[in-house]
Amino acid sequence: DGGITQSPKYLFRKEGQNVTLSCEQNLNHDAMYWYRQDPGQGLRLIYYSQIVNDFQKGDIAEGYSVSREKKESFPLTVTSAQKNPTAFYLCASSLPGQGRGGYGYTFGSGTRLTVV
Amino acid sequence: AQSVAQPEDQVNVAEGNPLTVKCTYSVSGNPYLFWYVQYPNRGLQFLLKYITGDNLVKGSYGFEAEFNKSQTSFHLKKPSALVSDSALYFCAVRDNFNKFYFGSGTKLNVKP
Repeated sequence: DGGITQSPKYLFRKEGQNVTLSCEQNLNHDAMYWYRQDPGQGLRLIYYSQIVNDFQKGDIAEGYSVSREKKESFPLTVTSAQKNPTAFYLCASSLPGQGRGGYGYTFGSGTRLTVV
Repeated sequence: AQSVAQPEDQVNVAEGNPLTVKCTYSVSGNPYLFWYVQYPNRGLQFLLKYITGDNLVKGSYGFEAEFNKSQTSFHLKKPSALVSDSALYFCAVRDNFNKFYFGSGTKLNVKP
């Protein structure tokens, strides 16, 4: 079955530690996205990538980094510079846009990151 | 600025009654409109979308949504709510540059 897989489901990070969240898709989607979800605040875009080897900052990129070396993979690193990383992180993918129809997102099941 | 508004943080409805979750948007061009549902500790699941055509769109689990261009609204509806419909609902709009805008979410509580 085609889908998008996030791992791990739960992740604990110590203060000052970098951690990497995995996102893999086998949908042959070109575009991939990372969102952060905090209670009562909806979804905020961290980074997105429309094609391999290219990515752009979203609205809250500070303290995060990404890479897009393969079409299927878009890992997110939460660095020690992110002062308040405790949140639910969602990865999504989609076919690209302009003129190609109303494609929506497919979401992964999320990773809950907690600082301990 | 482009935006999507879900004016109600929470909607409470009794099982068997009709439900409406509101969404309005301010996005230029001819955007595509979506509704997603999120259950606790899960990703968002697609419910329905409006691209073009009939203003009443039917989706998964008996949900439907009505597109109103003059009011720039895309309210989610269901004729008879179920307890299992209790979840967090997000309205989303995709502009003509493939950028998505999400509402802040509305928590739907359906009581037996």
